[in-house]
Amino acid sequence: RKEVEQDPGPFNVPEGATVAFNCTYSNSASQSFFWYRQDCRKEPKLLMSVYSSGNEDGRFTAQLNRASQYISLLIRDSKLSDSATYLCVVNRLTGANNLFFGTGTRLTVIP
Amino acid sequence: GAGVSQSPSNKVTEKGKDVELRCDPISGHTALYWYRQRLGQGLEFLIYFQGNSAPDKSGLPSDRFSAERTGESVSTLTIQRTQQEDSAVYLCASSFGTHLNEQFFGPGTRLTVL
Repeated sequence: RKEVEQDPGPFNVPEGATVAFNCTYSNSASQSFFWYRQDCRKEPKLLMSVYSSGNEDGRFTAQLNRASQYISLLIRDSKLSDSATYLCVVNRLTGANNLFFGTGTRLTVIP
Repeated sequence: GAGVSQSPSNKVTEKGKDVELRCDPISGHTALYWYRQRLGQGLEFLIYFQGNSAPDKSGLPSDRFSAERTGESVSTLTIQRTQQEDSAVYLCASSFGTHLNEQFFGPGTRLTVL
């Protein structure tokens, strides 16, 4: 089983829609969680960290469910500029190679 | 401010040749990572440097791959006797402190092996 699994999509949504992505992780020792955004043929950039209590940044809300071992990203009022691939990243303290990237969920916002 | 830079941005080489990819991390970042991303695929961890500690090489796919880092500065990833399957974008990232902190990625080197 992969460390991090995401639905690859694609998700095609109209402007203004609300869209949610989930990501599951396999190792309960995972400690830190992030969402990165990767535009086509560009490098990944941090979108937001995911805190235990959940956190919001404008139109973006991230949630963590440790019991079920998943994190989610909710995007409200989608903009054309939100079109990108969203990478789920999970980090655990044990072991040297402890940062795991999901393969990403592709979002296209349609005018 | 300077971000992570990588060179070359594109590299086309013939099968069997050696290539060297360079990464300049953000000044002061102690951690440096190399990843590989094949077309349409996720990021594949290759190697991780943290300060002066021994690097974690567990992600290197074969002994044709090696990497070095001088102190907390430049890193080079070397691929010997390249194969067509090595074609990918090679991304370097750096972070301040440990892996718990945000990673800043360079623009990548697109390697094409003919």
